[in-house]
Order: sequence, then C-alpha cells, then structure tokens
Amino acid sequence: DQQVKQNSPSLSVQEGRISILNCDYTNSMFDYFLWYKKYPAEGPTFLISISSIKDKNEDGRFTVFLNKSAKHLSLHIVPSQPGDSAVYFCAASSASGGSYIPTFGRGTSLIVHP
Amino acid sequence: EPEVTQTPSHQVTQMGQEVILRCVPISNHLYFYWYRQILGQKVEFLVSFYNNEISEKSEIFDDQFSVERPDGSNFTLKIRSTKLEDSAMYFCASIFGNMDSPLHFGNGTRLTVT
Repeated sequence: DQQVKQNSPSLSVQEGRISILNCDYTNSMFDYFLWYKKYPAEGPTFLISISSIKDKNEDGRFTVFLNKSAKHLSLHIVPSQPGDSAVYFCAASSASGGSYIPTFGRGTSLIVHP
Repeated sequence: EPEVTQTPSHQVTQMGQEVILRCVPISNHLYFYWYRQILGQKVEFLVSFYNNEISEKSEIFDDQFSVERPDGSNFTLKIRSTKLEDSAMYFCASIFGNMDSPLHFGNGTRLTVT
C-alpha cells in the first residue's frame, strides 16, 4: 500500500523556470510532511518541511504547499538551477502514538537543463 | 556540521553469508533508524531503535535481521543469511528526539548479494 505517492517518476525543467513536484498521501493521520533531496551516491538530505497546521512554508527558492482536504502537497523551486537536479522524496509522518517514522514516496527525479 | 557515517560504502557478499552494516549516528542523537532502497523503488523503513531496544519494525525486518548498539557510538544492522533480494542501498538515520525534526541520513551502504 502506497500511503505516500509521487506519481511523476521524472521531471525536466529549463534553468530559471519553476519546478513543481507533487505528492499525494492517503493516511489522514499524517501531520508532518517533509521533502528530502538525494544526489547519486549520497543519502537523502532534508530540504524543507511543513506541519499540518500550516498550508505554506517558504525557505529561499523552495516553497512547500499543503492542501489537507485534497491530501496533496507540492514543492515549488523558483528559479530552478542545474544544481537542483536530484531525486526528491516526499515523506510524511504522524505524531500520534509518539513514534516518528516517516513514510517515503518513490521519489521524483528532477533534471534542470542549463 | 556533524553527520551520520556509514561503512562500508559498498559490500559484495554471496547468498547465504552474514553481513554487518555499520553506522555511527550523530553523537547526541537518541533515535536510530535503518531504511533501505531497492534500485528504482522507494525508500522503505526497516527498524527504529531507542534506549537500547527496537521501538518499531516493519514486516521486512524478519528474523534474518537484527540491530545492535554495541557501544556508545556504533549502530549495526546484521543480515544473518543474505538473499539475492536483500541487494539494496541501506541507509542509517538518526534524530535527537524532537518529533518534528527531520532525520539525518548517512550516505548509505550498497549491498550486492550474488
């Protein structure tokens, strides 16, 4: 069962344009969402997060939007740069029960062309 | 900045052999995790560890798997009798203990079972 879905395995964008990466989830208990970025031969690194009490969080060129009613979040990168080329993982977790075990999507490979 | 370190970066083993993957989490972190990613698939949770015991494990983490914190710094994943389908990237991760803080991942160990 895929509780966190990233339906686009890849995305290709021109440098300077906006990259929009999408993520859907099915578990309504999820209340904390994160995006990780992964370069080849490296582990995932944390990029940006959002808690369910917010609908937007911005950090420089990166903005995450959360639509709880649609169980959908998206990551916007503006402007996109070639160094942003990586695999982006959406992850979600639930604070209920006191555990912190994020569930990951399959990832979207972003390629930013110069 | 402190980081999670994993050794070896690549391990090749024959089917049926035992392997031990090693991790040194960030020193003041209290929660430790193992995830794996089979090529082309999503990052999957294996096990979480806190206060010297397993706190949660997935259905993947069967009797062939075990974890240990043999001293104050290392966190190991042992696979007793490897199978071909155990071939994957294995990522160790840790957090201090804030339930809304992101996981810090190591760069992974690529396990190849032949």
